[in-house]
Amino acid sequence: DQQVKQNSPSLSVQEGRISILNCDYTNSMFDYFLWYKKYPAEGPTFLISISSIKDKNEDGRFTVFLNKSAKHLSLHIVPSQPGDSAVYFCAASGTSYDKVIFGPGTSLSVIP
Amino acid sequence: DGGITQSPKYLFRKEGQNVTLSCEQNLNHDAMYWYRQDPGQGLRLIYYSQIVNDFQKGDIAEGYSVSREKKESFPLTVTSAQKNPTAFYLCASSIGVETYGYTFGSGTRLTVV
Repeated sequence: DQQVKQNSPSLSVQEGRISILNCDYTNSMFDYFLWYKKYPAEGPTFLISISSIKDKNEDGRFTVFLNKSAKHLSLHIVPSQPGDSAVYFCAASGTSYDKVIFGPGTSLSVIP
Repeated sequence: DGGITQSPKYLFRKEGQNVTLSCEQNLNHDAMYWYRQDPGQGLRLIYYSQIVNDFQKGDIAEGYSVSREKKESFPLTVTSAQKNPTAFYLCASSIGVETYGYTFGSGTRLTVV
């Protein structure tokens, strides 16, 4: 049973528009959430994170929103650029965990 | 430049043969991890190590073995007992298991024929 879910396997967005990637989790013990970006044949790279004590964290064009009551987080990319085309993994962990749990990923295509 | 090196990038093996994937880091990280990526399934944890000479099974450890004799190295052996070994394998490290920002290697694509 997946504890971290990304229900959209793929997403296409026009360059310059907003990309919204969604993630849901089932374990209420999770208190730290991360987004990783992965290009084909490369390892994932850390993008942005958020602690459960916050509901928003922003870094340049990337913003992560956390809704704890809904066990939902989202990554917003504004404006989207062709170089953002990649697979985005949502991940979660908690103080009682000794590992990070990854979601299945969403493949984002930004169309020029 | 500090980082994680996985070698080789592509590996082909015959069915029934054991194969060892290399992972080396010069980040002075205590914790190291092996993940497997399959289409539609994201990253699944195979094994992880919090410290030298210690390692724990992840979610899909069957058919795999690891060793952690040096802080810098965490090789993964895919044994003939692994039923479906063809996959993309990723090694990662972090300062400690309590630290969530992982640094990943560039991966090894293993194809068993």
